[in-house]
Amino acid sequence: SQTIHQWPATLVQPVGSPLSLECTVEGTSNPNLYWYRQAAGRGLQLLFYSVGIGQISSEVPQNLSASRPQDRQFILSSKKLLLSDSGFYLCAWSVRRDHYGYTFGSGTRLTVV
Amino acid sequence: DQQVKQNSPSLSVQEGRISILNCDYTNSMFDYFLWYKKYPAEGPTFLISISSIKDKNEDGRFTVFLNKSAKHLSLHIVPSQPGDSAVYFCAAKSFNTGNQFYFGTGTSLTVIP
Repeated sequence: SQTIHQWPATLVQPVGSPLSLECTVEGTSNPNLYWYRQAAGRGLQLLFYSVGIGQISSEVPQNLSASRPQDRQFILSSKKLLLSDSGFYLCAWSVRRDHYGYTFGSGTRLTVV
Repeated sequence: DQQVKQNSPSLSVQEGRISILNCDYTNSMFDYFLWYKKYPAEGPTFLISISSIKDKNEDGRFTVFLNKSAKHLSLHIVPSQPGDSAVYFCAAKSFNTGNQFYFGTGTSLTVIP
């Protein structure tokens, strides 16, 4: 069966520090991978998606970046965090052309202080 | 631009009664719709879906209704149970967005025992 792992579960980082969140998927090949953010009082905002290794599409301009060094690994990074980067970050995967939407990871609660 | 909107941020319902969660969309090309359920500090989980060729889909206590002319989607939960208390997101996609879903801002449902 397919599983998605996301870590860490919670993170408190000072402003200006770097960020690295990792997401891995097991039990499937060539998944579409996504990074979403749920900010306080807001819905799910798509940040990045990837249809293959090294292929990253950015939906929202920001100081975050994403990379996909391996087929089932998706990394969200920042060189210098801002207070506005606080939120709940979710990784998700889907089978291409699958009508059943996404399977989400358990999320990372990031608080920038 | 928010293409999928959930105008009620919160809803409270008595246990055993019907919960109705609403969702509106602006893109007439959307052809597939999902509802997700999210508990605090967890990733959203898939609940129910509907294709644009249908106007109703039922799964146990959950029924989704689609009104294409009004660009309106609703989720009915009957009877509501305390365990249904969660945030509900609707999501939509069109054939020309690939497998990329657009999410609403969510409605927080509280079922009062």
